[in-house]
Amino acid sequence: DVKVTQSSRYLVKRTGEKVFLECVQDMDHENMFWYRQDPGLGLRLIYFSYDVKMKEKGDIPEGYSVSREKKERFSLILESASTNQTSMYLCASGSALHFGNGTRLTVT
Amino acid sequence: TQLLEQSPQFLSIQEGENLTVYCNSSSVFSSLQWYRQEPGEGPVLLVTVVTGGEVKKLKRLTFQFGDARKDSSLHITAAQPGDTGLYLCAGRWGGGSNYKLTFGKGTLLTVNP
Repeated sequence: DVKVTQSSRYLVKRTGEKVFLECVQDMDHENMFWYRQDPGLGLRLIYFSYDVKMKEKGDIPEGYSVSREKKERFSLILESASTNQTSMYLCASGSALHFGNGTRLTVT
Repeated sequence: TQLLEQSPQFLSIQEGENLTVYCNSSSVFSSLQWYRQEPGEGPVLLVTVVTGGEVKKLKRLTFQFGDARKDSSLHITAAQPGDTGLYLCAGRWGGGSNYKLTFGKGTLLTVNP
């Protein structure tokens, strides 16, 4: 079975902090994605990567950056966390997306 | 950005009833996927439809892709409490390895015993 592992299930950070969300997949997938999920807004694509060191902006990249130094790992970075970034963050990989269980981030 | 409209947003039914969820767009997608998400977990892929007019069945679930590849439906026969969850459709667009998936906002289904 494909496994997509997100490092934290719950995270609480303060406004202005730099936040790292880590995602690791074990199926050698080329494509990896970061989404955020908010009530009433659904899943929105933040960034995606189709190869190591490659990254593409999704629909809502502002306030975020990503890193893909190794094929299996795709990190989402909040350079300076803000309260409007409080959300559920979902990482996915593959063509038929395999999702992690999400990181619920609260920014206070 | 391609948009996908899902309806209804909420659906609460009794065990044994049938239901249909719709996913519509003005855009053409190369394929469309349906996912189901349970509380506290990530979405799980149910099916991918690729060809216009395609129908796929997964036990009591029937998925259809519109002829023009702009819309899709999910029909559940004799719903059970275990079907409760958030159903999401996602349209794939873009070519080769540089593709994107756009999600609908989801249909939250509750099946009451």
